[in-house]
Amino acid sequence: EVQLLESGGGIVQPGGSLRLSCAASGFNFGGYWMHWVRQVPGRGMEWLSRTDELGTRTTSTGYNDSVKGRFTISRDNAKSTLYLQLNSLRADDTAVYFCTRDRGRYAGFDFWGQGTLVTVSS
Amino acid sequence: NFMLTQPHSVSESPGKTVTISCTRSSGSIAGNYVQWYQQRPGSSPTPVMYEHNQRPSGVPDRFSGSIDSSSNSASLTISGLKTEDEAEYHCQSYDSSTDNWLFGGGTKLTVL
Repeated sequence: EVQLLESGGGIVQPGGSLRLSCAASGFNFGGYWMHWVRQVPGRGMEWLSRTDELGTRTTSTGYNDSVKGRFTISRDNAKSTLYLQLNSLRADDTAVYFCTRDRGRYAGFDFWGQGTLVTVSS
Repeated sequence: NFMLTQPHSVSESPGKTVTISCTRSSGSIAGNYVQWYQQRPGSSPTPVMYEHNQRPSGVPDRFSGSIDSSSNSASLTISGLKTEDEAEYHCQSYDSSTDNWLFGGGTKLTVL
């Protein structure tokens, strides 16, 4: 059974940092692109970032302009874990952050984690 | 780049059929696959349609997807509505010009 389990959310002050983790199980993690998506409570979804299977090449990662330069996606295939480093956090970064598995063929996401809540507040 | 626009809410009675639209602002709706996700309150999204009209395993055939080039939109149709179908539905597509994955704003389906 495919499982994605996010952790690392919490309350952080504006300008602060957090590192989110997503522990994957039930599939060959190193064979899939992975993504981070967020949702402001009560509002729509926003795609944030993706990484290819390796995550090590200059073209391995991509970002939404809203987070480019502040957020960094990475992965450790040996640990079957996806990460998102969040820096220079702002109040409008407050959201539930989901990790998702890429279906392939640019056909969206076939599995989602349960999400982890990040609250940016002083 | 483009935007995906969905109605904010729709409602229908049990047993009836409802269609939720997702309109692409520019470029052809057929140019990139459209997916649909169901999100019940307090839960994470689950896919109910991918590649315009393909149902993931376990999704009942009451759910169907289509695209319409004349209106440049995708649609998710749910027939034989059940109260368990009450949820938020999000459409999603890929923007190859920006290498971004885009979502519509979501549609709240009420089954009353």
